[in-house]
Amino acid sequence: DQQVKQNSPSLSVQEGRISILNCDYTNSMFDYFLWYKKYPAEGPTFLISISSIKDKNEDGRFTVFLNKSAKHLSLHIVPSQPGDSAVYFCAASQPGQNFVFGPGTRLSVLP
Amino acid sequence: DTEVTQTPKHLVMGMTNKKSLKCEQHMGHRAMYWYKQKAKKPPELMFVYSYEKLSINESVPSRFSPECPNSSLLNLHLHALQPEDSALYLCASSQDPLGNNQPQHFGDGTRLSIL
Repeated sequence: DQQVKQNSPSLSVQEGRISILNCDYTNSMFDYFLWYKKYPAEGPTFLISISSIKDKNEDGRFTVFLNKSAKHLSLHIVPSQPGDSAVYFCAASQPGQNFVFGPGTRLSVLP
Repeated sequence: DTEVTQTPKHLVMGMTNKKSLKCEQHMGHRAMYWYKQKAKKPPELMFVYSYEKLSINESVPSRFSPECPNSSLLNLHLHALQPEDSALYLCASSQDPLGNNQPQHFGDGTRLSIL
């Protein structure tokens, strides 16, 4: 049973436009959520996080939105750049438990 | 630049070999993790060390043996591996152990191939 889902395996966006990556979860006990970016041959790099007491967190070009009632998380990248092309994993955790990772979405930003 | 350093970056070994993967962090983190990642899949947790003690073993076969010599180092000893163990092995660390709303920071991994 997949507790964290990323239903889009891939996404293509034009450079300069907005990229929106989506993540859905089923476990209402999750209270902390993160996004990681992964380039080939590198480990995942932490991007941004949000706790369940917030509905938005912003860091430069990256904004994460949390809709607890819908159990939905999204990552907005504005403006998108070719260097943003990577696989993006969302992850969620509950107290005392390790992160549960989604399957990832491959983002391609086209010049 | 990653603050979690893993060596070697690549390792090819036979099924009868014994080898070790190494991981080092100098961020003062008190929790360290081993993950296994197959192509096009998310990382799968193998082991968690919290304050240098093994706190989680996710039913990993005994041919994988973790060791935490001190708070900065984490090893994964390998023996009699199978071809299906070929994967990217990732080490991560976090400031506090699980469930304290802390991100984990990953190394670049060791790409392991079993012949």
